[in-house]
Amino acid sequence: NAGVTQTPKFQVLKTGQSMTLQCAQDMNHEYMSWYRQDPGMGLRLIHYSVGAGITDQGEVPNGYNVSRSTTEDFPLRLLSAAPSQTSVYFCASSHRTPSSYNEQFFGPGTRLTVL
Amino acid sequence: SQQGEEDPQALSIQEGENATMNCSYKTSINNLQWYRQNSGRGLVHLILIRSNEREKHSGRLRVTLDTSKKSSSLLITASRAADTASYFCATDRGTDKLIFGTGTRLQVFP
Repeated sequence: NAGVTQTPKFQVLKTGQSMTLQCAQDMNHEYMSWYRQDPGMGLRLIHYSVGAGITDQGEVPNGYNVSRSTTEDFPLRLLSAAPSQTSVYFCASSHRTPSSYNEQFFGPGTRLTVL
Repeated sequence: SQQGEEDPQALSIQEGENATMNCSYKTSINNLQWYRQNSGRGLVHLILIRSNEREKHSGRLRVTLDTSKKSSSLLITASRAADTASYFCATDRGTDKLIFGTGTRLQVFP
């Protein structure tokens, strides 16, 4: 199993550009989520999904869109990049929701810089 | 807003010593998890403790949970240089969201 994969590893954007961060898992996990990590802030939840076709907002959803058309993939879209979105982005997945006592499996992260 | 706050923010110890880090949270939880993050890498799950449990062990790790104080501690015994990493607590309040704290940076010197 590859686990949770994220592409790209690094990305530089200009303000106003759009892009999609890819996340895929091959563990047949129902639950997937996106976090951003900023220095001194820990990880903050952006969006999450409890299954294909179902998404919901986390703590910091503004400026990001997600969709979940398949169990395996959970892309994160930046609609119009802003310097405040410079961060490291992590995708995670688990068999079921966190309230079902599931550990999260994390991808390696995407380091995004917005100029 | 983040649910968990780790204390201390940074900790430096010698190999062989024990490392203790604490996590405080604000509201009632369903379970609490600890994760490790090596520099530049994704997070790795260490241990999960349910709200009705008070203590759990896994190898050199010992986690306690005090729901009356809304706090948890992670003890790493006989630390090794390879334990150098950031450690995060994460809480679930019975919702579909897992909320992370700000982390403790642990440095273990050989």
